[in-house]
Amino acid sequence: DGGITQSPKYLFRKEGQNVTLSCEQNLNHDAMYWYRQDPGQGLRLIYYSQIVNDFQKGDIAEGYSVSREKKESFPLTVTSAQKNPTAFYLCASHQGWNTGELFFGEGSRLTVL
Amino acid sequence: SQKIEQNSEALNIQEGKTATLTCNYTNYSPAYLQWYRQDPGRGPVFLLLIRENEKEKRKERLKVTFDTTLKQSLFHITASQPADSATYLCALGGYGQNFVFGPGTRLSVLP
Repeated sequence: DGGITQSPKYLFRKEGQNVTLSCEQNLNHDAMYWYRQDPGQGLRLIYYSQIVNDFQKGDIAEGYSVSREKKESFPLTVTSAQKNPTAFYLCASHQGWNTGELFFGEGSRLTVL
Repeated sequence: SQKIEQNSEALNIQEGKTATLTCNYTNYSPAYLQWYRQDPGRGPVFLLLIRENEKEKRKERLKVTFDTTLKQSLFHITASQPADSATYLCALGGYGQNFVFGPGTRLSVLP
């Protein structure tokens, strides 16, 4: 079945550590996104990529980094520079602007200890 | 700046009734508006998309309206069931524009 796989589902981090969240898709979508979700707030865009080897900052990119070396993969690194990283992280992909639908992974919950 | 509001953080209704959720937006001219369902601890799942030139869209027990003059969308679930209990997100999108999401409304359908 086609879809988006995020791992790990739960992740604990000590302050000062970098962590990387994995996102893999087999939908053959060009565009991929990372969102952060906090209680009572809408999804906020961290980074997005429209094509391999290219990515753009979203609204809250500070303290995060990404790479897009393969079409299928779009990992997100939460660096120690992110001051409040505890959140639910969602990866999504998009077939094209005309169809509009975003496909989401199941999310990764990061907790800083 | 762009802003999306959803009518309330939580909505409780009785089973069998029609649930109506509201999405209002400002400072945006979307080409389309979408509704997603999100269960606790899961990723959102797409439900419906309505384009700027459409007034109404239906899918089974779901109905969405879109009024670009009022800058508002209404999302209806008829004959609601406890299984419809979830958080519902609206999102605006456009060609070449990133999606903008509302905070969501948590719907509880009581048996």
